[in-house]
Amino acid sequence: EVQLVESGGGLVQPGGSLRLSCAASGFTFSSYAMSWVRQAPGKGLEWVGRIKSKTDGGTTDYAAPVKGRFTISRDDSKNTLYLQMNSLKTEDTAMYYCAREGIGGGAFDIWGQGTMVTVSS
Amino acid sequence: DIVMTQSPDSLAVSLGGRATINCKSSQSVLYSSNNKNYLAWYQQKPGQPPKLLIYWASTRESGVPDRFSGSGSGTDFTLTISSLQAEDVAVYYCQQRSNWPPTFGQGTRLEIK
Repeated sequence: EVQLVESGGGLVQPGGSLRLSCAASGFTFSSYAMSWVRQAPGKGLEWVGRIKSKTDGGTTDYAAPVKGRFTISRDDSKNTLYLQMNSLKTEDTAMYYCAREGIGGGAFDIWGQGTMVTVSS
Repeated sequence: DIVMTQSPDSLAVSLGGRATINCKSSQSVLYSSNNKNYLAWYQQKPGQPPKLLIYWASTRESGVPDRFSGSGSGTDFTLTISSLQAEDVAVYYCQQRSNWPPTFGQGTRLEIK
């Protein structure tokens, strides 16, 4: 079964750090670009960033609100995607989803269940 | 960034009825090199992650019922549910991938009348 499972969310104070993980199974993880998408409580979807496959260069891109604070990495030997979040702000409070970029024009065809990050003092 | 605007914000349709959700992009999402619209539709039920329904504006994802269809090109797109079922109650989002960064519409909440 194709599956993504996020972990690492929790409560953190403003200015703090957190690292999220996304474990992939059921497909060749190394072949796909992967993204993080977040959703603030009661709000819509916001793309956070992505990492290409190593075959495509392994480069990363980030949304403007998180650039310079968040870092995406991957360990293809462990089939795991990471999101390192530093200098967290209250506005980063959201459910964080990892998502696979499929062959259909890069649409997000597989999503994890999400992990909740709450930034509050 | 390309702004995606959905209409209406919410919609109530009778069981068995037709639901139509519109999505307008601030710039064309048609790739001239392959003549494909990089527009996707997602369904999100309460407490669940989004689920891909349609990509390339009109191609149904595997396993998606054929009552879901997508149409449109350039800047104007439509998601149609031909015969609404109770399990279709959800929020629906459009998303573009033709220009970086990927952007989503604000969502349309679909309910049963």
